[in-house]
Amino acid sequence: SQKIEQNSEALNIQEGKTATLTCNYTNYSPAYLQWYRQDPGRGPVFLLLIRENEKEKRKERLKVTFDTTLKQSLFHITASQPADSATYLCALGRSSASKIIFGSGTRLSIRP
Amino acid sequence: GAVVSQHPSRVICKSGTSVKIECRSLDFQATTMFWYRQFPKQSLMLMATSNEGSKATYEQGVEKDKFLINHASLTLSTLTVTSAHPEDSSFYICSATRQGIYEQYFGPGTRLTVT
Repeated sequence: SQKIEQNSEALNIQEGKTATLTCNYTNYSPAYLQWYRQDPGRGPVFLLLIRENEKEKRKERLKVTFDTTLKQSLFHITASQPADSATYLCALGRSSASKIIFGSGTRLSIRP
Repeated sequence: GAVVSQHPSRVICKSGTSVKIECRSLDFQATTMFWYRQFPKQSLMLMATSNEGSKATYEQGVEKDKFLINHASLTLSTLTVTSAHPEDSSFYICSATRQGIYEQYFGPGTRLTVT
């Protein structure tokens, strides 16, 4: 069955450093991969989408890479800030109306 | 734009009663809505996919007679937890998509506690 793993359950880094989160998947051929941010007690908020034919996407301090050969996506937050502390979820999907499958999430903490 | 609301945000009910949760897309028409549940420190588990005017598609292991989903219009979907039990206590989140758009817009969630 399909499986999505976000390798780190929790990640703690110093403010100003680059945070790198990993998402690996097996037994699945996604058309796209998304990253969401979730704060405690709130619903997820969409951050970035990258399609299977794209290698890299950027948005302000965020960067996502997608390697369909390795079946892996990396999510980077540069110049991290305490306000970036949250749980980050990756999700895979095949079409715009289809369901997406979420990873277990990585809880990121940025210390001042 | 793309705001999704949920009501109520928190609900406490007695075992055996039914609870209805509403999910509304406030500024767009949602072709598809999804219902998830999330246990503490766990990821979102999809319960069902709902398209306006048709029956919901439930994920394996989700009892359709217990979790009734109605998607009566392009802006409203409801989830009714029937005969709730303490094990149904969880965080329920809905999301909505627009036609041709990949990202899902999530509601703020509903915390259900069954006593």
